[in-house]
Amino acid sequence: DTGVSQDPRHKITKRGQNVTFRCDPISEHNRLYWYRQTLGQGPEFLTYFQNEAQLEKSRLLSDRFSAERPKGSFSTLEIQRTEQGDSAMYLCASSSQGTSTDTQYFGPGTRLTVL
Amino acid sequence: QKEVEQNSGPLSVPEGAIASLNCTYSDRVSQSFFWYRQYSGKSPELIMSIYSNGDKEDGRFTAQLNKASQYVSLLIRDSQPSDSATYLCAGGGSYIPTFGRGTSLIVHP
Repeated sequence: DTGVSQDPRHKITKRGQNVTFRCDPISEHNRLYWYRQTLGQGPEFLTYFQNEAQLEKSRLLSDRFSAERPKGSFSTLEIQRTEQGDSAMYLCASSSQGTSTDTQYFGPGTRLTVL
Repeated sequence: QKEVEQNSGPLSVPEGAIASLNCTYSDRVSQSFFWYRQYSGKSPELIMSIYSNGDKEDGRFTAQLNKASQYVSLLIRDSQPSDSATYLCAGGGSYIPTFGRGTSLIVHP
């Protein structure tokens, strides 16, 4: 068990550029979550996958954000036409399927800075 | 709207003391609760989960849940300077927990 990994750990981009982040969950976990966290706030839910199916998306997630988990393993989060307000820590978490809210384990995060 | 409320702090305690962190939640159907520790610039690290009313102990940490009062707490005994961090409370009744803003804890020598 190598834990949840995320790549890159840091990304600096100019406003208007597209960025893509990758998350590799714990291998036996079939649930994967993306969160965004800004300074002084708790993680804010973005989207959730069970296997390859995207089951829920936050209403806060604009059309510029898209996520995929094509084979039910790793996931990517893309932000198109980045804005300065997108600057945040993007966290990925994974859990194994249970009957209720599962214990989530977080990756190290990707810190995005939009100039 | 599901809410999890925490006092942002900072809570300052001397080394060796008991730190008490509190959290309230609005969603009565919430069944599962979690405490995470987050050091500055790092990602959240799970400390404990609790699902039933009462206390759950793990080493120096004790989580307490009172569903009637919609209240969750975390006690840290024999606090150490290395415990200085932000503590996030999370709760959920579905697959997706709601996180509080976190309480900053400072343990001073």
